[in-house]
Amino acid sequence: TQLLEQSPQFLSIQEGENLTVYCNSSSVFSSLQWYRQEPGEGPVLLVTVVTGGEVKKLKRLTFQFGDARKDSSLHITAAQPGDTGLYLCAGVNSGAGSYQLTFGKGTKLSVIP
Amino acid sequence: GAGVSQSPSNKVTEKGKDVELRCDPISGHTALYWYRQRLGQGLEFLIYFQGNSAPDKSGLPSDRFSAERTGESVSTLTIQRTQQEDSAVYLCASSKAGQGNYGYTFGSGTRLTVV
Repeated sequence: TQLLEQSPQFLSIQEGENLTVYCNSSSVFSSLQWYRQEPGEGPVLLVTVVTGGEVKKLKRLTFQFGDARKDSSLHITAAQPGDTGLYLCAGVNSGAGSYQLTFGKGTKLSVIP
Repeated sequence: GAGVSQSPSNKVTEKGKDVELRCDPISGHTALYWYRQRLGQGLEFLIYFQGNSAPDKSGLPSDRFSAERTGESVSTLTIQRTQQEDSAVYLCASSKAGQGNYGYTFGSGTRLTVV
């Protein structure tokens, strides 16, 4: 069974601060996806990283895929209250036309105004 | 439809009763997942459908759980003889064929409460 470990599990910061959350595994994935989930809603895809070492930016969010495609990080610059939510990473295994997701347990972020 | 639709959005049932949860994926999406999310927890894989292939049922927690999918359309998740530990949000997600590597679209979930 492949596992994705996310850290920290909980994070509470003041508006304007920077933060980084991590997603680590001993397994190699074909790609890694980051989702944000707000209360009462399903997860919403933020980004997919595919190539080892890849860096993607989405406004104040920067996502990086490790060179070995086993880990990833999400960095938020100048956090805003609207960034509050549960951040989930999901590793993708592809083979024979199927794409199976393995989710981490998530990082619950609270940004205090 | 424009998104993944799940119904009902909320369901309260008595212990021992059967429940059926429905998922309407995005039209043309051949891959479909069911996940369970307990309060404050991550997503627990239940079952995966990919086109006409045999579904991956390896995540179903017991034989009280079953799921069906008609072709590439609607899927139903059935829980028989519900127990209190079945209380959770049940999420459905879908993806285009060959596009799962690039992200799945989730529904808003069905919140199941067993009393």
